[in-house]
Amino acid sequence: GAGVSQTPSNKVTEKGKYVELRCDPISGHTALYWYRQSLGQGPEFLIYFQGTGAADDSGLPNDRFFAVRPEGSVSTLKIQRTERGDSAVYLCASSLKRQETQYFGPGTRLLVL
Amino acid sequence: QKEVEQNSGPLSVPEGAIASLNCTYSDRGSQSFFWYRQYSGKSPELIMSIYSNGDKEDGRFTAQLNKASQYVSLLIRDSQPSDSATYLCAVNSVGSGNTGKLIFGQGTTLQVKP
Repeated sequence: GAGVSQTPSNKVTEKGKYVELRCDPISGHTALYWYRQSLGQGPEFLIYFQGTGAADDSGLPNDRFFAVRPEGSVSTLKIQRTERGDSAVYLCASSLKRQETQYFGPGTRLLVL
Repeated sequence: QKEVEQNSGPLSVPEGAIASLNCTYSDRGSQSFFWYRQYSGKSPELIMSIYSNGDKEDGRFTAQLNKASQYVSLLIRDSQPSDSATYLCAVNSVGSGNTGKLIFGQGTTLQVKP
């Protein structure tokens, strides 16, 4: 069956530019999570959606980061005025309901030059 | 102190041996514990989940949980070279209204030598 998909798989941008990263969760999964993974580290939580609403955005590092999930399925993570420190792999995960097993997408590798 | 701690390794074992991976966590209220395997350049893949004290076995993998000691481990029996990967311990965060967000350790790199 179809798993979590993420696009693009790789994104190279210049410092100061705006980027959008997309996540397609497993069909029927109501919970969606974004994580960020830096080299040699475990994933770090960014934001959690239950349905259309951002139920927990406590992991977003600053106000340059924003995410939406307007129809309760696809989610977009938006980063404004990108900085070199934003370079990382951005992972999306979904679960049938909150607190259930999370399944990860392949990630988007973001490089800010 | 980090919320979830793992030895980064690398842990090197010969093929056929038992690999033992360990993880400690700080939040006593945590109730769900997961082991993910991550190959280089790939995303995390769920190996085991465990929710109650004791052992849980699935094929060559056994997860062990001791909530009193705030300790969770993963044993891999008959290790194969294909088991060589980074193993991430993840704990369900109790804070923020039990949203289910996971707190990950930094991962332990396992090398299984033929």
